[in-house]
Amino acid sequence: EAGVVQSPRYKIIEKKQPVAFWCNPISGHNTLYWYLQNLGQGPELLIRYENEEAVDDSQLPKDRFSAERLKGVDSTLKIQPAELGDSAVYLCASSPGTGFAYEQYFGPGTRLTVT
Amino acid sequence: KQEVTQIPAALSVPEGENLVLNCSFTDSAIYNLQWFRQDPGKGLTSLLLIQSSQREQTSGRLNASLDKSSGRSTLYIAASQPGDSATYLCAVNSGNTGKLIFGQGTTLQVKP
Repeated sequence: EAGVVQSPRYKIIEKKQPVAFWCNPISGHNTLYWYLQNLGQGPELLIRYENEEAVDDSQLPKDRFSAERLKGVDSTLKIQPAELGDSAVYLCASSPGTGFAYEQYFGPGTRLTVT
Repeated sequence: KQEVTQIPAALSVPEGENLVLNCSFTDSAIYNLQWFRQDPGKGLTSLLLIQSSQREQTSGRLNASLDKSSGRSTLYIAASQPGDSATYLCAVNSGNTGKLIFGQGTTLQVKP
């Protein structure tokens, strides 16, 4: 069974440019998470989807970040415009359902460098 | 607000040594606690999941314990190997939404 797929794996952009990250969860997993991981820190949740609905986006900086999961399968996270402080690893995870009983499976992440 | 702390931030040991990684959390009202492994440039791999009603979980050379009342968990690695070198993260699930709160991780280096 294929795991969580993320692309690109690495991205280098100049500040003020837009950038998008893509995630394809494990087949059948209806819950999808985007996490931000700064260097030397643990991941922090940005947004959680149940199917196509964003049910927890309280940590998403909405002035420059947006996300979508139009058909309840794959998802895109966008930053526009990017700032130097956005340099980090963006992780996507999925689970079969929502709640503490369901284990989350993580993708390899996209490492963003903003220059 | 739940906060998770891991000490030490980095650890270097010779091969074969037994070692303990520590994780503490401020709110004891948790559903479960997970230990993850993260290799450089890779995602997170789940190692052990301890439910709030459990005291410990074991997988091979790994043993994780949970003491909810004191807000602590430990990950014990027996007979460490160079292949165990990685960053180890603990995360608590204290809500019914599946939201994980992570510690900052302990980076382990096992020297041959």
